[in-house]
Amino acid sequence: NAGVTQTPKFQVLKTGQSMTLQCAQDMNHEYMSWYRQDPGMGLRLIHYSVGAGITDQGEVPNGYNVSRSTTEDFPLRLLSAAPSQTSVYFCASSRSGPGNTIYFGEGSWLTVV
Amino acid sequence: DAKTTQPNSMESNEEEPVHLPCNHSTISGTDYIHWYRQLPSQGPEYVIHGLTSNVNNRMASLAIAEDRKSSTLILHRATLRDAAVYYCILRLWSGGSNYKLTFGKGTLLTVNP
Repeated sequence: NAGVTQTPKFQVLKTGQSMTLQCAQDMNHEYMSWYRQDPGMGLRLIHYSVGAGITDQGEVPNGYNVSRSTTEDFPLRLLSAAPSQTSVYFCASSRSGPGNTIYFGEGSWLTVV
Repeated sequence: DAKTTQPNSMESNEEEPVHLPCNHSTISGTDYIHWYRQLPSQGPEYVIHGLTSNVNNRMASLAIAEDRKSSTLILHRATLRDAAVYYCILRLWSGGSNYKLTFGKGTLLTVNP
């Protein structure tokens, strides 16, 4: 199994540009989420989804959009990139229910100049 | 939201046991305790989780206090590859808290050769 796959791994954007970080999982997980991690910090939840067609905001949603049209995919869109969005982004998935393991992607390193 | 408290950093010597503590005094009866670790430049990976009883797997052991207000992740023989940031998180049953996971800064474990 591929697990959780994120693309691209590295990206440099100019301020004001838009882009989409892709996340796909092949484990038929209901729950998917996006986190950002700034240097020396823990992970902060951006958006999450509990199933196709259902999304909700996390701790730091401003400047980001998500959609969940299929179980497998959960793209994160940056509408107008800002230097403050320079960060490492992690996608995660799991089955619903608190006793289930959370699987993370390898991360996407984004620099906004 | 339920919160966990961990020491910022700990140090160990190679091949010695390591006990990583976590306090979660506001835990509810149906909340699961999860541990994840993050190696440099990688996404977090699952280590272990439990509800009430102590748990063992090939990576580690989880000792849960009788009142469940604290837990300890035990690495029986630390290796250099165990040097990472270790996160203790609670995964709750109640509604959105099941999905709105909170990762603090975790404990940075340094393993000395």
